[in-house]
Amino acid sequence: EPEVTQTPSHQVTQMGQEVILHCVPISNHLYFYWYRQILGQKVEFLVSFYNNEISEKSEIFDDQFSVERPDGSNFTLKIRSTKLEDSAMYFCASAVYTGELFFGEGSRLTVL
Amino acid sequence: GENVEQHPSTLSVQEGDSAVIKCTYSDSASNYFPWYKQELGKRPQLIIDIRSNVGEKKDQRIAVTLNKTAKHFSLHITETQPEDSAVYFCAASDTGGFKTIFGAGTRLFVKA
Repeated sequence: EPEVTQTPSHQVTQMGQEVILHCVPISNHLYFYWYRQILGQKVEFLVSFYNNEISEKSEIFDDQFSVERPDGSNFTLKIRSTKLEDSAMYFCASAVYTGELFFGEGSRLTVL
Repeated sequence: GENVEQHPSTLSVQEGDSAVIKCTYSDSASNYFPWYKQELGKRPQLIIDIRSNVGEKKDQRIAVTLNKTAKHFSLHITETQPEDSAVYFCAASDTGGFKTIFGAGTRLFVKA
C-alpha cells in the first residue's frame, strides 16, 4: 500500500538554525499539507499546497516557514530560524482529492 | 477563525461498553467531518468520515452522526476492546478542502 514518507524521523538543531523537513507524498495525490503536533497536544494545521502554490495557511505559518515542491515527488517544509517553540512532531499529509488525509510517520524536531 | 471543540478530553470505559465522543464546529461552510485515531507515537489514521449531505454513517462497531443545524457531530464506538485505546481526533474541513481543522483529541482508555 502506498505511503507518505518523511525524512528525517528526528532532527535536533540549535536555536536560530535552518531546518528542512522532507516529504514524499503518495504519487497520484494532488493536495499536500503540513501539520504539527506539540507533544500531547492537538494536530495543528500549518499549510496546504495545490497546483504548485499555497492554498491556505494558518497564523502559525509565518515568514519563518516556507514550502516547496522542487520536483515531481518531494514536498519540503523549511523553517528559516528555529525557535524553541518550534519543537514538535511535523506531519506531512497528502490527499487525492479534498477528503481523507494520508499522514506520514512524522519528523520530530527538537530545538535546543 | 474556524474552531473545532471536542469533549471529553479523557474517556475511560470498561471493555464491552460503548464510548461516545462529541464535537462542535464553528464554520458553517464545513462539509466534511473525518475522525482520526492516533496510537501512541504513531501517525493519525482515518477511521470513519461523514459528509454534510449524510446524517449518519456506520462501519462495523463505529458510527458517526452529524447535526448540521446544531453544528454537532459525534463518534460512537460500541463493544469497545482494549485495542481501541488511543487518542481520537475529530476534524472539520472547509468547502474547498484545503484546510482540515482538528479538535483537541480524546484519550480513550478501554479497561480489560
